[in-house]
Amino acid sequence: NAGVTQTPKFRILKIGQSMTLQCTQDMNHNYMYWYRQDPGMGLKLIYYSVGAGITDKGEVPNGYNVSRSTTEDFPLRLELAAPSQTSVYFCASSYSGGRGNQPQHFGDGTRLSIL
Amino acid sequence: KNEVEQSPQNLTAQEGEFITINCSYSVGISALHWLQQHPGGGIVSLFMLSSGKKKHGRLIATINIQEKHSSLHITASHPRDSAVYICAVSPLIQGAQKLVFGQGTRLTINP
Repeated sequence: NAGVTQTPKFRILKIGQSMTLQCTQDMNHNYMYWYRQDPGMGLKLIYYSVGAGITDKGEVPNGYNVSRSTTEDFPLRLELAAPSQTSVYFCASSYSGGRGNQPQHFGDGTRLSIL
Repeated sequence: KNEVEQSPQNLTAQEGEFITINCSYSVGISALHWLQQHPGGGIVSLFMLSSGKKKHGRLIATINIQEKHSSLHITASHPRDSAVYICAVSPLIQGAQKLVFGQGTRLTINP
């Protein structure tokens, strides 16, 4: 069972470079999320998606873009990397059916440093 | 003031001790989640609850909706329980099962 898979696990970028953090899930979940985790802070929602072709901003979307062309994939793009984007990034997914809330399943994270 | 506050921020205990981590929140919620993050960084969901109490092995989670408070208890703690424990809530006003997270409690269990 792969669950939620994130790549890469680690990356160092120079200021101004761009990159895409990949996230894929094999659980047929409609809901997917991108979070960042800064030291001593709670996870913050960057973007989320309720299904293929539908995305929306979370709490801290500036400097990021997302797309959701398939149910499985939800890549996060940094266009012009800035030191403030140094963080650990987590992708998560959850089932949208059933009654009420469902637990979120997290990837192992991508540790990103911008120098 | 954060919508979700956890206490304590850090907790060190001896193996075998009974552990309590607290979570208070300030908004109406549809569910509260307890998550565990191990030193390797991965995050796993431990509990999701909207009322009462849930138990899984040595872990117990309780919630008091009226007081906007939840506790996570660990009985007979073990060094492998050392991790960051995160409380998160699903606010009623937000859709798509979005979560608001506390800052986490770092638990260290010494042998």
